Amino acid sequence: QSALTQPASVSGSPGQSITISCTGTSSDIGGYNYVSWYQQHPGKAPKLMIYEVSNRPSGVSNRFSGSKSGNTASLTISGLQAEDEADYYCISYSSNTPSVFGTGTQVTVL
Amino acid sequence: QVQLQESGPGLVRPSETLSLTCTVSGGSMRGYYWSWIRQPPGKGLEWIGYIYYGGTINYNPSLKRRVTISGDTSKNQFSLMVDSVTAADTAVYYCARGTASYNYAPGHYFDYWGQGALVTVSS
Repeated sequence: QSALTQPASVSGSPGQSITISCTGTSSDIGGYNYVSWYQQHPGKAPKLMIYEVSNRPSGVSNRFSGSKSGNTASLTISGLQAEDEADYYCISYSSNTPSVFGTGTQVTVL
Repeated sequence: QVQLQESGPGLVRPSETLSLTCTVSGGSMRGYYWSWIRQPPGKGLEWIGYIYYGGTINYNPSLKRRVTISGDTSKNQFSLMVDSVTAADTAVYYCARGTASYNYAPGHYFDYWGQGALVTVSS
């Protein structure tokens, strides 16, 4: 099972919006609405930011939003803030394995 | 508030067995996918497997031959064993709770994580 493809890095200035893509296949992202997104600061455990494509857990800022089109899911961060600088991972259910992970994206706030 | 805590040796010799335990507090183990996920230093996350209340177990096909996950709901714990370890198994190992939106949903998401345990494989 190949990992989901994410850009290695994305950057933006404070206040801007950025979008992180996560590309899979019809066996995972394209076939199911079970994509979740996680934020990981250095030395810390990942934190759930979005589940089931576009749902936000209680306590997560509404600056974070998720969507999906075809075999690609996306995480958008609006009003970028310094605290958003972290690594981000997508995860999807797959017909081949319950959890396939993305390669990870490093977000830099300029 | 649900909390997870990994415990086990931080150093394992090559060819030996890595063993970790995750203790769950603040909630029941019933109805969730109790998972192990690892992250080699400087690299991305890798799903290892899960145990579901009732005994269903599922492993990452790439690790299946060497991995065993077990659970003890009476102690609110679940465990991981990785056989015949090499330096490539050096990683931070996380335990996490997988939650599905409804019974028998095919997919789940990880809403609670342990802080992680660094395990180094070295002689």
